[in-house]
Amino acid sequence: DAGVTQSPTHLIKTRGQQVTLRCSPKSGHDTVSWYQQALGQGPQFIFQYYEEEERQRGNFPDRFSGHQFPNYSSELNVNALLLGDSALYLCASSLVQGSAFFGQGTRLTVV
Amino acid sequence: DAKTTQPPSMDCAEGRAANLPCNHSTISGNEYVYWYRQIHSQGPQYIIHGLKNNETNEMASLIITEDRKSSTLILPHATLRDTAVYYCVEEKSSGDKLTFGTGTRLAVRP
Repeated sequence: DAGVTQSPTHLIKTRGQQVTLRCSPKSGHDTVSWYQQALGQGPQFIFQYYEEEERQRGNFPDRFSGHQFPNYSSELNVNALLLGDSALYLCASSLVQGSAFFGQGTRLTVV
Repeated sequence: DAKTTQPPSMDCAEGRAANLPCNHSTISGNEYVYWYRQIHSQGPQYIIHGLKNNETNEMASLIITEDRKSSTLILPHATLRDTAVYYCVEEKSSGDKLTFGTGTRLAVRP
């Protein structure tokens, strides 16, 4: 059983560009959450998707947007990248009432 | 903002029990205590969770005080592979967002 898979594992973008990160949830899971983890910090909640709708949102600007597809996979989009967006981006999947399982993350570097 | 407090670092000897404390003095009656760990450059790994009773699984035990204001994660026989950052997290209900603090960096020494 594949766990949560994220792609790509690493990428480098230039300030001002846009980026799309992808997540496939663990088999059977219907809820996807995204987190941003800066170096030396704990993960910070960005938003959560359930039934293709944004169910909860953390304190992140509108430059951060997402989408969930009918097969429960999800994308995180970040527009107008800033140097401060450099971080590990984590996807977690769960059942709507269940423990979260995390992927290995996407390391984004903005230069 | 994170509502749990944990010591920034701890160490223990391989083969001994590692006891990681967490204070959650403002926890609500419907909030669970979750523990995750994160090994360098990997995603957080779920360990265990509980509401008010002590819990045990194949990885660890969770002891929650009667007033629910603190808990202890116990790794009964720590190995070098248990070296990681351990996060204690309050969560309103399963499936809710997780609010992480900076966790405890556990170093298991040979």
